[in-house]
Amino acid sequence: ETGVTQSPTHLIKTRGQQVTLRCSSQSGHNTVSWYQQALGQGPQFIFQYYREEENGRGNFPPRFSGLQFPNYSSELNVNALELDDSALYLCASSFPGTRVSNEQFFGPGTRLTVL
Amino acid sequence: QQQVKQSPQSLIVQKGGISIINCAYENTAFDYFPWYQQFPGKGPALLIAIRPDVSEKKEGRFTISFNKSAKQFSLHIMDSQPGDSATYFCAAIGGGSQGNLIFGKGTKLSVKP
Repeated sequence: ETGVTQSPTHLIKTRGQQVTLRCSSQSGHNTVSWYQQALGQGPQFIFQYYREEENGRGNFPPRFSGLQFPNYSSELNVNALELDDSALYLCASSFPGTRVSNEQFFGPGTRLTVL
Repeated sequence: QQQVKQSPQSLIVQKGGISIINCAYENTAFDYFPWYQQFPGKGPALLIAIRPDVSEKKEGRFTISFNKSAKQFSLHIMDSQPGDSATYFCAAIGGGSQGNLIFGKGTKLSVKP
């Protein structure tokens, strides 16, 4: 069974640029959630994708957007980067509709630094 | 506002001791309470989870105690080991939202040899 993978591992961008982060969900999982984890804080929910549709969104501006593909992999796009966007971006996969549907399994994250 | 409050912020325990981390929540619609363990530079790893229909769940050295009336739950790590040194997050989910895990701010645990 393949776990959740994310790419790239690290990324450095400058303010105003755009970034795309990628996630491959765990085998058999059709739901992907994205979280932002600032240094020393708990992860904050950005949004979730289920069967290629956005299925819930946290308190993040529209410049944070995403996609899910037919193979259930996902992308997180952030436009007009700001210094406060510097964080660890985590992807988590799950499979709703089962007894353990709330279980979310996280990838290793992408460390984004905005200069 | 939905939130989960976690304490303490940091914890130092001697090897072999018991580590206890506490969390409290507000939203009674939450129906799943996981604990995650995170090592530096890694993503959170699901450690153990509980639903509000049980008061305790044990997996190896890790136990969750759940008090529904007080809206509190805690993680107990028995026989703590230096390898348990990590940051622990409690979380909650439910109320009709599949993806909205609400995390506490984390507890940094250091187990001294």
